[in-house]
Amino acid sequence: EAGVTQFPSHSVIEKGQTVTLRCDPISGHDNLYWYRRVMGKEIKFLLHFVKESKQDESGMPNNRFLAERTGGTYSTLKVQPAELEDSGVYFCASSQGGRKGIQYFGAGTRLSVL
Amino acid sequence: DQQVKQNSPSLSVQEGRISILNCDYTNSMFDYFLWYKKYPAEGPTFLISISSIKDKNEDGRFTVFLNKSAKHLSLHIVPSQPGDSAVYFCAASDYSNSGYALNFGKGTSLLVTP
Repeated sequence: EAGVTQFPSHSVIEKGQTVTLRCDPISGHDNLYWYRRVMGKEIKFLLHFVKESKQDESGMPNNRFLAERTGGTYSTLKVQPAELEDSGVYFCASSQGGRKGIQYFGAGTRLSVL
Repeated sequence: DQQVKQNSPSLSVQEGRISILNCDYTNSMFDYFLWYKKYPAEGPTFLISISSIKDKNEDGRFTVFLNKSAKHLSLHIVPSQPGDSAVYFCAASDYSNSGYALNFGKGTSLLVTP
């Protein structure tokens, strides 16, 4: 069974540009999460989808970030326009069942904003 | 404000000995705790969890202890093996919110030497 897949694995963009990250969850997982780890800091929650609905977006830093999950399958996270402080590793995770379902993480997308 | 703290950035242990990784938390609403393990260039992998109604959970070489009064948990690995060398993250979820978002510590890098 395929795990959580993220691409690209690495993206280098200039400040002011737009970047879109993609996440394919484990098939059948209704819950999908985005997290971010800025260098030297902890992994921080961004948002949680249940199927195509945003259940909790309390961790989204500002309105330059837009997450979507069309049809309740894959998800995209767009940053527009990117700022220097957006650099970090963006992780996607998916789970099934309730809140204690194991969250399975992808390998992450390393975003470098120059 | 960081609610989950791992105060030891690194730990070195000899193969065959016990590894003890510590984690403290401040939010009394946390009721579910997890440990994740992360290798370089990979996403975090679930290791073991514990609910606040328990004070110990064991899975093979891994045991997690929870001391609610001290708001402290620890992960014991016995015996430690070189393949256990990785970064270990403590995480917790808050039932008073949606309960799905994981709050992570900054991680402890474990090195097991032969």
